[in-house]
Amino acid sequence: GDSVTQMEGPVTLSEEAFLTINCTYTATGYPSLFWYVQYPGEGLQLLLKATKADDKGSNKGFEATYRKETTSFHLEKGSVQVSDSAVYFCALSAYQGGKLIFGQGTELSVKP
Amino acid sequence: DAGVIQSPRHEVTEMGQEVTLRCKPISGHDYLFWYRQTMMRGLELLIYFNNNVPIDDSGMPEDRFSAKMPNASFSTLKIQPSEPRDSAVYFCASSLAGSYNEQFFGPGTRLTVL
Repeated sequence: GDSVTQMEGPVTLSEEAFLTINCTYTATGYPSLFWYVQYPGEGLQLLLKATKADDKGSNKGFEATYRKETTSFHLEKGSVQVSDSAVYFCALSAYQGGKLIFGQGTELSVKP
Repeated sequence: DAGVIQSPRHEVTEMGQEVTLRCKPISGHDYLFWYRQTMMRGLELLIYFNNNVPIDDSGMPEDRFSAKMPNASFSTLKIQPSEPRDSAVYFCASSLAGSYNEQFFGPGTRLTVL
């Protein structure tokens, strides 16, 4: 079945460091891919998305490129801030009108 | 524009009691999802509805859990009787068909069963 695998956390970085959180997926067809972020005490919110191969999603300095050949959707940011500390979830939707398949989440902690 | 609304935000109850969690999706959204989040099991999809009809309830842990959606603007998740292992944060989310399944989450209900 469809699945999403994320790198395990927690990831601890110093402010202004470069961030990569790896995400790979298994799916039939051509899924849409998402990154959601969950700040402490809050619900998940959409960070960025990509709906077809080679699309790049971007928001708030974060980017991810939909790579069909490697079935990956890695999240990157060039310079993290303390306020980026949160849990990040990679997800896919395999077809319109259905559920999202989430990865297990990766906790990011950014130290000043 | 109001997002997904959940109530209560916190609920503390004793084992054996009935618990009802409530959700109001974003107006016009036709999908509604109930999730549970714990440290041990992460984020789990319990059930989801399309146009008020349950589509997949395979994630509902057992018969003690039930969910309803009597109309497009309201859903409930009920646990009867509650047990300490039900303690978790319960999220409701909604989405619109044709939007690549982008889901909007509510703030969650933190349930503690003593």
